[in-house]
Amino acid sequence: EAGVVQSPRYKIIEKKQPVAFWCNPISGHNTLYWYLQNLGQGPELLIRYENEEAVDDSQLPKDRFSAERLKGVDSTLKIQPAELGDSAVYLCASSGGGAGEFDEQFFGPGTRLTVL
Amino acid sequence: RKEVEQDPGPFNVPEGATVAFNCTYSNSASQSFFWYRQDCRKEPKLLMSVYSSGNEDGRFTAQLNRASQYISLLIRDSKLSDSATYLCVVNSPSNTGKLIFGQGTTLQVKP
Repeated sequence: EAGVVQSPRYKIIEKKQPVAFWCNPISGHNTLYWYLQNLGQGPELLIRYENEEAVDDSQLPKDRFSAERLKGVDSTLKIQPAELGDSAVYLCASSGGGAGEFDEQFFGPGTRLTVL
Repeated sequence: RKEVEQDPGPFNVPEGATVAFNCTYSNSASQSFFWYRQDCRKEPKLLMSVYSSGNEDGRFTAQLNRASQYISLLIRDSKLSDSATYLCVVNSPSNTGKLIFGQGTTLQVKP
């Protein structure tokens, strides 16, 4: 079974440029997560989707970050404009169940963003 | 205070050693606890859940102390392949489905 797919794997951009990351979750998983992981830190949740609905976006810096999951399957995370401090790994994860019950979260390989 | 705190290490141990990692969490209402493993430049993967009664999976033993809000992971007979970062993870009781990760403890097993 295919895991969570993310692209691109690496991205280098100059500050103030826009950037987008794409994620395709495991087939049948209705919950999708975007995390940010800085060097030497654990992942931090940016946004969580249940199907196409963003049920938790409290940690998403909405002035420059946006996300969508229009058909409840794959998702895109965008940063516009990027800042130097956005350099990090952006991880996508998916799980199969609904709220109130633990379902293992499966992570994709991440997109490593470098902002120059 | 961070919601989940871990000693970042690194822990450098010889093969065959027993090593223990500790983790504390701040919200006493948390109900679910996990250890994830993350290899260098790879994604995190679930190692094991942590149950109130303690649980064991081969060389790995996880313990939970709710009174002290403390979680531990013990690795016996360390292998070179155990070298990784171990992330302590706790659910957010106010936000079902949200996991809070510690910063991770790095283990390096040497021959």
